[in-house]
Amino acid sequence: SAVISQKPSRDICQRGTSLTIQCQVDSQVTMMFWYRQQPGQSLTLIATANQGSEATYESGFVIDKFPISRPNLTFSTLTVSNMSPEDSSIYLCSVEDPGNSGSDEQYFGPGTRLTVT
Amino acid sequence: AQKITQTQPGMFVQEKEAVTLDCTYDTSDQSYGLFWYKQPSSGEMIFLIYQGSYDEQNATEGRYSLNFQKARKSANLVISASQLGDSAMYFCAMREPYQTGANNLFFGTGTRLTVIP
Repeated sequence: SAVISQKPSRDICQRGTSLTIQCQVDSQVTMMFWYRQQPGQSLTLIATANQGSEATYESGFVIDKFPISRPNLTFSTLTVSNMSPEDSSIYLCSVEDPGNSGSDEQYFGPGTRLTVT
Repeated sequence: AQKITQTQPGMFVQEKEAVTLDCTYDTSDQSYGLFWYKQPSSGEMIFLIYQGSYDEQNATEGRYSLNFQKARKSANLVISASQLGDSAMYFCAMREPYQTGANNLFFGTGTRLTVIP
């Protein structure tokens, strides 16, 4: 399986500020996904990021709040803008079939634990 | 309606014993994928096992096996010979690529497994 890294691993931020989370994969992937896990909850998809096109956002998530970049096939960023305490969550990036082996497995990065005060 | 249902919020198992974590799913698609992930307290999502809807054999990965009963729409995870390091949250997830137009994973609410020495 591919190695997926995220930076930062955790951060404590003041409300009203923004944080950019980076996701790096050690192989080229077509689609990258960003998920949010609020405390004690399951995972929810924020958006799907394809290289060379605008990210596709799920219901309840908007580009102004969660802008995403996907400059190449191994890297993506998610920005959490104008943060409030409700944004305190674990943010995870995910990739599908990172080895392009034809399998349908999906892997996650180690996550970014964000606390907004 | 919930796409993935995990009815066991918490489970206990004696070390070295086997344990079954339940998962039922709801889909009208013929083609779908089922996943199990382990999430330790660190927050990372660790891929355990994948079962495609057309796979006739139950998936196995080391001590993990997926008991796939298509007619019942269940995909239970069996962990054999439990170890203390198996203590974690376990999430069942389903992907319906044709239904959603994107390879979104729908997650259950999770089961917290505690292995007792």
